[in-house]
Amino acid sequence: DIQLTQSPSSLSASVGDRVTITCRASQYVSNSVHWYQQKPGKAPEVLIYDASNLQSGVPSRFSGSGSGTDFTLTISSLQPDDLATYYCQQTYTLPQTFGQGTKVEIK
Amino acid sequence: QVQLVQSGAEVKKPGSSVKVSCKASGGTFTSYGIGWVRQAPGQGLEWMGRIALLLGLANYAQKFQGRVTITADKSTSTAYMELRSLRSDDTAVYYCATLVEDHFYMDVWGKGTTVIVSS
Repeated sequence: DIQLTQSPSSLSASVGDRVTITCRASQYVSNSVHWYQQKPGKAPEVLIYDASNLQSGVPSRFSGSGSGTDFTLTISSLQPDDLATYYCQQTYTLPQTFGQGTKVEIK
Repeated sequence: QVQLVQSGAEVKKPGSSVKVSCKASGGTFTSYGIGWVRQAPGQGLEWMGRIALLLGLANYAQKFQGRVTITADKSTSTAYMELRSLRSDDTAVYYCATLVEDHFYMDVWGKGTTVIVSS
């Protein structure tokens, strides 16, 4: 199975800060990495698909980059509503796998 | 846009089975497939398997192979996930979600079904 390792596991940042989360795959996954946001007590929602494509309706402060084995999710200006846990997922091969998550807190 | 409505919470005994349903509300299944993910209390997301709706073919995570069956009834736009031989560590929230064709990411999610396994 392909392992996805996210870093950091958690972070605390101020409103307006630029936040970067990384996701490293144990094997090549092309650009088949997607990012989800899960707010407390809610189902996940997709933010970015295929590494860098913004899902419709998602604020433009979210962006993604990367290919191969290294991927990044960036929040350009952190907002209070961004309090959540973020997960990367690979769909390059079965079984599809998730990273362990990155919890984002607001200072 | 289609919404996914999942069945209600369940409390099960160890060794029993649970079958969670996931119905498309406001439309029919138009997606490539349906995926199932679970989340144990305080833990991350765990991919369980998926079904491709056109041919009804399912794939499962090795961890659940032999214990899980995912099916779909296109006539009622309802997908099902059955998990057998339940253990206490199967206590989790179980989510279904539509899969986008060619990209396979999980687009529209259900609200989740809580399954508690306890004697």
